[in-house]
Amino acid sequence: AQSVTQLDSHVSVSEGTPVLLRCNYSSSYSPSLFWYVQHPNKGLQLLLKYTSAATLVKGINGFEAEFKKSETSFHLTKPSAHMSDAAEYFCVVSDLHRRFQKLVFGTGTRLLVSP
Amino acid sequence: EAQVTQNPRYLITVTGKKLTVTCSQNMNHEYMSWYRQDPGLGLRQIYYSMNVEVTDKGDVPEGYKVSRKEKRNFPLILESPSPNQTSLYFCASSLRRAGAGELFFGEGSRLTVL
Repeated sequence: AQSVTQLDSHVSVSEGTPVLLRCNYSSSYSPSLFWYVQHPNKGLQLLLKYTSAATLVKGINGFEAEFKKSETSFHLTKPSAHMSDAAEYFCVVSDLHRRFQKLVFGTGTRLLVSP
Repeated sequence: EAQVTQNPRYLITVTGKKLTVTCSQNMNHEYMSWYRQDPGLGLRQIYYSMNVEVTDKGDVPEGYKVSRKEKRNFPLILESPSPNQTSLYFCASSLRRAGAGELFFGEGSRLTVL
């Protein structure tokens, strides 16, 4: 079964500095990978997804992620953090379950942005 | 506006008192799913539905029931709630199988069972 590990439960950055949220996955085949963002008191929203096309994936709000098969990683980055980026971020991998694909969520990384 | 609507958003109840959390989507999506979110555990799938009258267990189905009588609605039923079901619940839908496409989430229902 597929799984995903988010290496940091919390990440703190200053506004204007780069963001790096780390995610490693395990998969026995070529997975689809996603990043979702959850702002306080809101549902989750898709940030970006990788589905075996370009390995560098661009998402909304200036975020991007790079799929590295050799490292089984799918880290999320942003060149310059904004206060509105403060939220919880979930790395997600697709899994095969009874012939259907299902999503397996990581435990989340809370991003804190200070002025 | 395309959306997934859950009700109630907040609920405090007592052990054993049956409750239903409703979920409705207006996007004509085939796939719907319920998740619970607990600190340090991420989101865990409770039940999902590939289409009307087709439902299946997720990873943590114990203590929950669902039904899918109409395409747009997917209620979550707690027949006899217990304190370990205190959690934040999310309903989500997708046009296609969940792994193939984007999941759209409701804003969540925070349930406390005393």
